[in-house]
Amino acid sequence: GAGVSQSPSNKVTEKGKDVELRCDPISGHTALYWYRQSLGQGLEFLIYFQGNSAPDKSGLPSDRFSAERTGGSVSTLTIQRTQQEDSAVYLCASSLALEGSEQYFGPGTRLTVT
Amino acid sequence: KQEVTQIPAALSVPEGENLVLNCSFTDSAIYNLQWFRQDPGKGLTSLLLIQSSQREQTSGRLNASLDKSSGRSTLYIAASQPGDSATYLCAVCALYGQNFVFGPGTRLSVLP
Repeated sequence: GAGVSQSPSNKVTEKGKDVELRCDPISGHTALYWYRQSLGQGLEFLIYFQGNSAPDKSGLPSDRFSAERTGGSVSTLTIQRTQQEDSAVYLCASSLALEGSEQYFGPGTRLTVT
Repeated sequence: KQEVTQIPAALSVPEGENLVLNCSFTDSAIYNLQWFRQDPGKGLTSLLLIQSSQREQTSGRLNASLDKSSGRSTLYIAASQPGDSATYLCAVCALYGQNFVFGPGTRLSVLP
C-alpha cells in the first residue's frame, strides 16, 4: 500500500503567520509521530498519538505548537505566529503499535519562515 | 534522560570497502533500536530494527549488532557502493518511554 505522505512538501511563510502541516499515515497504523529536523541538527521529537489515547505532547517546544489527529488517521500539526527559528523540516512517522514497532517516515515538509 | 551519540560524524571511503558505523546510548533500558538512512532532502528509510532481546539483524550487505548492557550498536556495511552514500541515523525506543530518541547521524560518502 501507499507509504506515509505529507503535505505540502515545501511551505514558505511570513513571520507571525499560522501554518498547518498535514500527515497521512499508512492505513492501519495506530501510532503517529511528529519530529522536527533543523538544519544540521538531529531529529527532535515533538508529539505522538496512539489510538484513542491522549497524545504525548512532551516534545512540543512552545504553546504555539499543537497537533490533532482526526478519526485515528490523518494528523495536522499547527504552528501559530510562526518565528524564524521554526524553520525546519517537519517529519511524520507511523507504526503499527506504540511499543517500539518499526517506524515508517514520510518525505517531510520543509518550512521556511521569512 | 536518554542520550544517543554516533561516531564518526562523517566518513569517506573508497568503493568496495567494508565499514562500521557506531551508535551509543546512555540508558540501557530500551525496547529496541532502529537504524535508518536519510538521503539529502528526503525522509528516513528504515534499514534494520533490533529488539532488545536480539544480538544482531542482517539485511543484504547490512548487519546491525546490539550490546544493550554496554549501550552500543554497530552498523556494518559490506562491500560499500556509491549508492550507499547517505546519512545514517540510529534511534532507540526506551523501555519506559514513549518515543524514539535519535542520534545526530553519520554522513557517509562512498567514492567511486
